[in-house]
Parts: sequence; C-alpha cells; structure tokens
Amino acid sequence: GENVEQHPSTLSVQEGDSAVIKCTYSDSASNYFPWYKQELGKRPQLIIDIRSNVGEKKDQRIAVTLNKTAKHFSLHITETQPEDSAVYFCAANENDYKLSFGAGTTVTVRA
Amino acid sequence: GAVVSQHPSWVICKSGTSVKIECRSLDFQATTMFWYRQFPKQSLMLMATSNEGSKATYEQGVEKDKFLINHASLTLSTLTVTSAHPEDSSFYICSARLAGAETQYFGPGTRLLVL
Repeated sequence: GENVEQHPSTLSVQEGDSAVIKCTYSDSASNYFPWYKQELGKRPQLIIDIRSNVGEKKDQRIAVTLNKTAKHFSLHITETQPEDSAVYFCAANENDYKLSFGAGTTVTVRA
Repeated sequence: GAVVSQHPSWVICKSGTSVKIECRSLDFQATTMFWYRQFPKQSLMLMATSNEGSKATYEQGVEKDKFLINHASLTLSTLTVTSAHPEDSSFYICSARLAGAETQYFGPGTRLLVL
C-alpha cells in the first residue's frame, strides 16, 4: 500500500514568515494529494489539493507543489498568521478512493 | 456544501458496553464513507471503508466483529464499538465522498472514553 512520510513533525515560525511542509509518497499510481488542517479537537478541513496532472496550485497564501518524478509534494504557507497555527496533514490516494495520511506537522506561528 | 455531521460528539461508557456512532452527509449523497481513529497527537488511521448497500471493507488489524459498520443509505453510516474496553478510547472520525470525486469531507469526530 501507499506510505506517506511528512516532515517536519513540528514547525515554529514568526508571524509573517513562510512555512513549508514536505511529504513523500511511495506508490507511483497515486494521483491525488490533499492537505488538511486540523485544529485541536476539531475535524480535519481540506485546505488545498492537487492532482498529478499539474505541478503547482495556489490559493491566496497557500500553495502546493508536486514533483511526480521524485514522488514528493510540499505545502507552502506565506505571510503566516496566528490563526494558521494547527496540525497539518498531507495525504495521497490509494485504490478504492482511500487516503493514506502523513504523520502530521504541528505549526506554531509566534506573534 | 459537503457538510458531514457525527453524533454523538462525545460519549463516556463503562467497559463491556456497546456504543453506536452515526455519520451523516447532510447536503449530498455519499457513495462511500470512511471511518478513522485518531489517538492523541497522532495521525488519522483508516479503520474501514463503508459502501452503501454492501459490506464494509476493514483495514488490516481492525476487528470487524468488534467495530460493526452499517451503511444503510447514501447519507448515513454507523459505527458500533462492541464490548468497549479502555484501549478503545479514542477520537473516531468519519468522512464522506461524493460519487466520482476524490475529496473526502470529514465529520466533527466523536470522542469516546471507556471507563
């Protein structure tokens, strides 16, 4: 099955700086890569996703890049704000529409 | 759109009892629902895939007789934790996807505490 690795496990950034989270996947058949944000005790919320037919996607301060050859994808958050503090999970799809999740990155934005 | 609800949001029960958790897609028909378990400070671990009108598919290591899943309609799936024990205490989250789409929308989760 798919194996998704995510780094770093924790990330502390100064407000206004950028945050980058990186993930690698093992199954070359994976073609859908969502990113979820989960605040403490809350549900994971989809913040952006990318499919394998594109290399980059941007939505305001959030962008995701995908390198299919290297089997890695990254989340970039620019101009970070305190409300960006949360746990972020990357994921890759498997057969039957399943998702395999990374271990998560706890992002803390220092005011 | 694409709102998923769960009930109850939290439950405390005695060891040996059974607990039922409901997952509903409120504004769309969900061909498939997924059940996850999340321990503190850990990732989401898929327990099973629930397809409407058919038997659930369980992930390796998940006991199907302990975690009963029923997906009776396109908007409702239930997870029953039978004979719950303290080690079953966790955050249980469901997700649902629209037919033909990859995106999974998550419910708010159910926190289970077994005493």
